Amino acid sequence: DIQMTQSPSSLSASVGDRVTITCRSSQSISNYLNWYRQKPGQAPDLLIYAASSLQSGVPSRFSGSGSGTDFVLTISSLQAEDYATYYCQQSLSAPITFGQGTRLDI
Amino acid sequence: QVQLVESGGGVVQPGRSLRLSCAASGFKFNTYAMHWVRQAPGKGLEWVALISYDGSTKYYADPVKGRFTISRDNSKKTLFLQIDRLRPEDTAVYYCAREERTSSWYYLDSWGQGTLVTVSS
Repeated sequence: DIQMTQSPSSLSASVGDRVTITCRSSQSISNYLNWYRQKPGQAPDLLIYAASSLQSGVPSRFSGSGSGTDFVLTISSLQAEDYATYYCQQSLSAPITFGQGTRLDI
Repeated sequence: QVQLVESGGGVVQPGRSLRLSCAASGFKFNTYAMHWVRQAPGKGLEWVALISYDGSTKYYADPVKGRFTISRDNSKKTLFLQIDRLRPEDTAVYYCAREERTSSWYYLDSWGQGTLVTVSS
């Protein structure tokens, strides 16, 4: 199975800050990498697919980059509704695997 | 709009069985593969199972192989997860999710609100 490791596990930031979250895979996954945001008490929702493609309806302050084994999710200007947990997920091969999550706090 | 509504969760004793359902609406259910993903209390997301659009192909995570069965009824636009021989470590919120594809990439673009399964004596 492909292991996904996110860093940091948690971070604190303020509204308006630029935030980056890193995801590393245990083997090359090209750009078969998706990012999700999960607000407290809610289901996850898709932010980015194929490493850098913005899902329809997702604000442009979210962006993704990377290929191979190293990926980055960037929030250019943090908003209040972005305080949540973020997960990366590889879709190169079954079984689908998620990172352990990055909790973003005020 | 796309809507997925899970049901069937509850408190169940270890060793018993449970069947979860996910009712779909707002899209052509019979053209999409579907997944179950679970989340133990305070933990991260764990993929559980996948079924192809026509039910012909199924995949399971290793921890649930042999105990969980994913199925679907396209005529009723409903996804199922049969869970047998429940264990305390199966305690989690279970989400159903739709798989969308763009060329060779796939991702889970719509999720239900989840149904909580608690395994306890």
